[in-house]
Amino acid sequence: DTAVSQTPKYLVTQMGNDKSIKCEQNLGHDTMYWYKQDSKKFLKIMFSYNNKELIINETVPNRFSPKSPDKAHLNLHINSLELGDSAVYFCASSKRGATDTQYFGPGTRLTVL
Amino acid sequence: DAKTTQPPSMDCAEGRAANLPCNHSTISGNEYVYWYRQIHSQGPQYIIHGLKNNETNEMASLIITEDRKSSTLILPHATLRDTAVYYCIVIPEGSQGNLIFGKGTKLSVKP
Repeated sequence: DTAVSQTPKYLVTQMGNDKSIKCEQNLGHDTMYWYKQDSKKFLKIMFSYNNKELIINETVPNRFSPKSPDKAHLNLHINSLELGDSAVYFCASSKRGATDTQYFGPGTRLTVL
Repeated sequence: DAKTTQPPSMDCAEGRAANLPCNHSTISGNEYVYWYRQIHSQGPQYIIHGLKNNETNEMASLIITEDRKSSTLILPHATLRDTAVYYCIVIPEGSQGNLIFGKGTKLSVKP
């Protein structure tokens, strides 16, 4: 069984559109994360949710909004997509905080045209 | 910014040990050293972590110097599937912060 899953795997869309990426973990973890990996392969934290509460927001534009309907899901909604949003987005989860092993999803490659 | 320094790339022959160095000269007493790797087009994968003592698991060994200013990740018998970018990360114990990924070391295992 997949521990951390993301949908879709690929997402191609036009500038200005609104899109969502879904993430689910079946590990029973309390904390979930969203990371962005740009074209230069730098992997950066965007958000962290612990028990449905946001605990980190690393100066991400407010066009990005994480939504956690329950502890097992952390979805990423992006409004008014821009060319610079093109990247691979990874979801991850850990039992508690960052010093617990993080399990990453397979990634969603977003291309904004 | 990442608090670690790693060589940008390394090569290793298949079946040989791969030794990946990491400098973390400003590490604090309560900071752990974590290693993750990212195989091409996949999400990062946890490998191992340690504080002071050397650690070993089914994937690798972690050797931390006595002054804790550097460490080495050892893959004892590298295979082609170990080709990946390896990230060394330091983070305080019990941190609610985040993993800060640097540029890592691109390890190429060659037949």
